[in-house]
Amino acid sequence: DAKTTQPNSMESNEEEPVHLPCNHSTISGTDYIHWYRQLPSQGPEYVIHGLTSNVNNRMASLAIAEDRKSSTLILHRATLRDAAVYYCILRDLLFLIQGAQKLVFGQGTRLTINP
Amino acid sequence: NAGVTQTPKFRVLKTGQSMTLLCAQDMNHEYMYWYRQDPGMGLRLIHYSVGEGTTAKGEVPDGYNVSRLKKQNFLLGLESAAPSQTSVYFCASSYSEPRDESPRLYGYTFGSGTRLTVV
Repeated sequence: DAKTTQPNSMESNEEEPVHLPCNHSTISGTDYIHWYRQLPSQGPEYVIHGLTSNVNNRMASLAIAEDRKSSTLILHRATLRDAAVYYCILRDLLFLIQGAQKLVFGQGTRLTINP
Repeated sequence: NAGVTQTPKFRVLKTGQSMTLLCAQDMNHEYMYWYRQDPGMGLRLIHYSVGEGTTAKGEVPDGYNVSRLKKQNFLLGLESAAPSQTSVYFCASSYSEPRDESPRLYGYTFGSGTRLTVV
């Protein structure tokens, strides 16, 4: 599986935008970029995913570099509820092991939001 | 729509005891997974299932067994618990194919976890 690199931790202030970077220099053409987040004492939850174009949803935006070797998850206006560990994960649609697409988690970025 | 439900939420076992963790999903997902999460580490896949009656080993399967007798349930068993199995266990489920018409359906849905302590 292609690897991703994220900063261990980041800090931001409430109501300010947050840009969470992810490097994936060995990404393949069929790898989708996924972001999950894990709130304290909860299971991970899906945030957003993309392939080549930038993506927006009600939770966040995903900006993907033109060469796809890096991406940035953007929280437009952080709240205290956004404090979590954010995971950037590559998922190869063409790679199936017995039909299951394993989700491989790294260490993620622990985001702290200051009031 | 409850999503993924794990029971129990907490459990303390003595070394050598056995127990079963239950995961139930009501989204008609084909695939189900068991992960464990230890302090300072990411989630690691224990076992997974691509359908009723089918299971496979993940990254850290030793000491665990699983069964998927019904599509909506995925059981994780510890036959003889060891302190090294102290962890938070997460179950997840997903569709077998991406559903791009609703991207949120594309991802995994996780349960809220079971915190297991083996003493």
